Amino acid sequence: DAEITQSPRHKITETGRQVTLACHQTWNHNNMFWYRQDLGHGLRLIHYSYGVQDTNKGEVSDGYSVSRSNTEDLPLTLESAASSQTSVYFCASSRTRTGELFFGEGSRLTVL
Amino acid sequence: DAKTTQPPSMDCAEGRAANLPCNHSTISGNEYVYWYRQIHSQGPQYIIHGLKNNETNEMASLIITEDRKSSTLILPHATLRDTAVYYCIAAQGGSEKLVFGKGMKLTVNP
Repeated sequence: DAEITQSPRHKITETGRQVTLACHQTWNHNNMFWYRQDLGHGLRLIHYSYGVQDTNKGEVSDGYSVSRSNTEDLPLTLESAASSQTSVYFCASSRTRTGELFFGEGSRLTVL
Repeated sequence: DAKTTQPPSMDCAEGRAANLPCNHSTISGNEYVYWYRQIHSQGPQYIIHGLKNNETNEMASLIITEDRKSSTLILPHATLRDTAVYYCIAAQGGSEKLVFGKGMKLTVNP
């Protein structure tokens, strides 16, 4: 079955280190999204992509970057991790720009 | 995009219909109403969406008032597995416009 997977599911890192969270989907969806979820804030959009080589900033993009070199993957990079980036990160994809989002299981990141 | 208002929580008995309200009094004519839910620690799951007409799928029914200022998500026979946070979102355009607020916690009791 087609799916969307995130890795790692759990990661602990130190302040200042570079961290990359992977997101891989097998539906061949053009559209992919990264969200973070913190207590009391719901989900907030970090970056999104509507196709290969396309990337866009979301509501909380500072300190994060993404690249889209193929349809299946949208890795999220924290250039220099900060404690404020401790969160649960969700990746999602959709077939159309207005279509339903399919979410991954999440990656829990702790920055010490 | 229109802001939505949901009660913070509600309870429902297992086997009964769960009627989840959402207010979106400032919704514009081309904004859709979307419902997602998030079961503990999992990624959100799409439920249903609609513009003007009532919609039904295998998961739920969506009833939108004629003036479109409010809607109700109906889970016809709630089960314990329906316990989750439910998000009502009003948006138009691309999926990047979906704003997941705090949602409403539905607890289905045995």
